[in-house]
Amino acid sequence: EIVMTQSAATLSVFPGERATLSCRASQSVGSNLAWYQQKPGQAPRLLIYDASTRDTGIPARFSGSGSGTEFTLTISSLQSEDFAVYYCQQYNNWPFTFGPGTIVDIK
Amino acid sequence: QVQLQESGPGLVKPSETLSLTCTVSGDSISYYYWSWIRQPPGKELEWIGFIYSSGSTHYNPSLKSRVTMSVDTSKNQFSLMLRSVTAADTAVYYCARGGSSYFKFWGQGTLVTVSS
Repeated sequence: EIVMTQSAATLSVFPGERATLSCRASQSVGSNLAWYQQKPGQAPRLLIYDASTRDTGIPARFSGSGSGTEFTLTISSLQSEDFAVYYCQQYNNWPFTFGPGTIVDIK
Repeated sequence: QVQLQESGPGLVKPSETLSLTCTVSGDSISYYYWSWIRQPPGKELEWIGFIYSSGSTHYNPSLKSRVTMSVDTSKNQFSLMLRSVTAADTAVYYCARGGSSYFKFWGQGTLVTVSS
């Protein structure tokens, strides 16, 4: 099983600032990586797939990069609605696995 | 727009079987993979497995011995059964479209508590 880790459990950011979230895979997943945003009481929402492709309707301030084992989600200028938990997920190998999540909260 | 809705008991006794159904609207269930994913309170997401519309399945090895998924294309539904549950199976259970890659469409989730 591929283990996903996210280096920061919590990231405290001022509104308007850039947030950079990291995700690491225990072995290469190529570009088969997705990012999700989850708010309290809601299902996760797909933001990015194939490591860097924004899903339909996702604002351009969200961008993804990386391949292999190291990935980054960048939120260029945090808006109030962006404070949430962010998960990465690999889909290169079954069982698909998720990272433990990074909480982005208001500084 | 594809919509998914989970349904089933919110309380299950230890050692019994958890049964959930996901109803899909806005698109046919055919020709897609459909997954179940769960999230224990305050914890991370765990993929349980998928079923394809043809009925083929793939389960997470961590749960494989206790899981059965089924699909009913005539009702546009798919289902999850998890046997011999314990308190560790208490979680929000989500159904989602996907299983060969990422999950674009999710149900709202349903909390299942295992308790006597």
